[in-house]
Amino acid sequence: NAGVTQTPKFQVLKTGQSMTLQCAQDMNHNSMYWYRQDPGMGLRLIYYSASEGTTDKGEVPNGYNVSRLNKREFSLRLESAAPSQTSVYFCASILTGAGYGYTFGSGTRLTVV
Amino acid sequence: LAKTTQPISMDSYEGQEVNITCSHNNIATNDYITWYQQFPSQGPRFIIQGYKTKVTNEVASLFIPADRKSSTLSLPRVSLSDTAVYYCLVGDMGSSNTGKLIFGQGTTLQVKP
Repeated sequence: NAGVTQTPKFQVLKTGQSMTLQCAQDMNHNSMYWYRQDPGMGLRLIYYSASEGTTDKGEVPNGYNVSRLNKREFSLRLESAAPSQTSVYFCASILTGAGYGYTFGSGTRLTVV
Repeated sequence: LAKTTQPISMDSYEGQEVNITCSHNNIATNDYITWYQQFPSQGPRFIIQGYKTKVTNEVASLFIPADRKSSTLSLPRVSLSDTAVYYCLVGDMGSSNTGKLIFGQGTTLQVKP
């Protein structure tokens, strides 16, 4: 099925551990985004990639790094996880100019203990 | 990016029409207005996007006055399954832009039987 695929769906980390969240889309979208959503809150933009080979910081980039591996894949890395990074992480993509809005993945629920 | 203001919560009853208004006084010339719907434990889902006047699709209508400083999402004859958080966003979604969007708190719509 066409869409945005995120892995893993759930993850528990210990403080200080590292991990990479994977995101892939098969819709030939040019732009991709990583958001986090804390309980009862709206989404906050972490990083985005307007096109293959470019990445830019969003509202809350500290503690994260990203890689736009190719047009399809955009990964988010936590180098040293902290409890404050406990959240649900959503990846999204869009073909800018097409008028159909973002397509979101189903999310990764991350708990840092 | 233009900031948006929308009510934190709204209540309605099944079968009623619901109108959610969003204020975006600082909207720029190239900005589009986009609405998303989010159910618990899911990523947001694109509902509708417009630039001016009225846009209608199978799910909702979007009304935008001439000055574009506000917009109204209209949901006809809501059902219990329309209970969700609705986000209003403003940004340049043109093909040459990043498509970056900043989410606010959204409006939590509770539909009652």
